Amino acid sequence: DAKTTQPPSMDCAEGRAANLPCNHSTISGNEYVYWYRQIHSQGPQYIIHGLKNNETNEMASLIITEDRKSSTLILPHATLRDTAVYYCIVRVGRGSQGNLIFGKGTKLSVKP
Amino acid sequence: DAGVIQSPRHEVTEMGQEVTLRCKPISGHNSLFWYRQTMMRGLELLIYFNNNVPIDDSGMPEDRFSAKMPNASFSTLKIQPSEPRDSAVYFCASSTTENTEAFFGQGTRLTVV
Repeated sequence: DAKTTQPPSMDCAEGRAANLPCNHSTISGNEYVYWYRQIHSQGPQYIIHGLKNNETNEMASLIITEDRKSSTLILPHATLRDTAVYYCIVRVGRGSQGNLIFGKGTKLSVKP
Repeated sequence: DAGVIQSPRHEVTEMGQEVTLRCKPISGHNSLFWYRQTMMRGLELLIYFNNNVPIDDSGMPEDRFSAKMPNASFSTLKIQPSEPRDSAVYFCASSTTENTEAFFGQGTRLTVV
């Protein structure tokens, strides 16, 4: 599985959009981009994933660049409960069960 | 569905003792993952199973660690003998083959003294 690079930490004001970047320059054509988050003391929680098109769900939006070498997770209106470590992962997707390897992630602090 | 269920939630044991951690995946899920999390090393994948068969155990730190999945609804991670450096939070996760979103349990916090 390809490696990812994320900033170690970010701050965001409550109510503002949080934009979390991820670089995955060695991603392969059959690898998806996944985002998980881990709130203190809890198990990681799935947020969203995508292959090459932008994706949106009730939690967040995922923007993937055209060359697929980077992506951005967007939390449109961050709340204090969004304070967590956010992990960007690339892995082989649907139809295959590749490893789910976590890096160090980005610690997002949402401040009042 | 109750989600992925792990037991116990907390375990304190003495060095040298055998420790068994348990996981019940979500019904219908056929992939299961075991992770270990520490402050120093982050979230490490130990082993994952597909249809009860271990696919990749390269993350298992040493022979003291073993994992089994005797059926689709139960898995164990055993440490024998345990050492203080095994102290960590151990997570279990499951997913389906078609939907690769993995669901995590609440973890077992293991302390070896």
